[in-house]
Amino acid sequence: NAGVMQNPRHLVRRRGQEARLRCSPMKGHSHVYWYRQLPEEGLKFMVYLQKENIIDESGMPKERFSAEFPKEGPSILRIQQVVRGDSAAYFCASSLEWGVPMNTEAFFGQGTRLTVV
Amino acid sequence: TQLLEQSPQFLSIQEGENLTVYCNSSSVFSSLQWYRQEPGEGPVLLVTVVTGGEVKKLKRLTFQFGDARKDSSLHITAAQPGDTGLYLCAGHTGTASKLTFGTGTRLQVTL
Repeated sequence: NAGVMQNPRHLVRRRGQEARLRCSPMKGHSHVYWYRQLPEEGLKFMVYLQKENIIDESGMPKERFSAEFPKEGPSILRIQQVVRGDSAAYFCASSLEWGVPMNTEAFFGQGTRLTVV
Repeated sequence: TQLLEQSPQFLSIQEGENLTVYCNSSSVFSSLQWYRQEPGEGPVLLVTVVTGGEVKKLKRLTFQFGDARKDSSLHITAAQPGDTGLYLCAGHTGTASKLTFGTGTRLQVTL
């Protein structure tokens, strides 16, 4: 029973390039969250998606960042024209459903560490 | 606006000591989770509490959810070096809401 899978684990991009981060949720999970974590800091919410829908993107920067969770395939967090300030660890989490509190438990992947040079 | 405040922010103790970490909010949470994160890894879920006043035990860890579901605590008995890590509380304020994380407590347990 595979957990949340994120790839790549490490990603190096030059300023101005695009970064694509992938997240495959746990089997049966239809809710996905993306978080960003800077060194020595907590997790900052970015976006919450359900299959084919963005539920809450209040934490997403207005420009250059986008996320999707298609009907088939992994969720993708896309950062266009990366800048040095985008360097961080990006974590994806998934949960089962809403309405039943225990089913909202979120399980995290190991993260993608993005370095912009 | 930070919904969940954790205290203390940093804690360094010796093996065998007891400690308590607090997670406080002005909002009511429908459920609250505690995670531990080690360097270079993702957060690992420790426990979920749902009912006001609920107490859950996980070996040497005791988790409590406040009666009003606005606060929670994590108590560790006889801390060990393996308990070292970043402890995070996180909660949902209602249905179909994002999971909001606390500010984190960084714990170091030394021999």
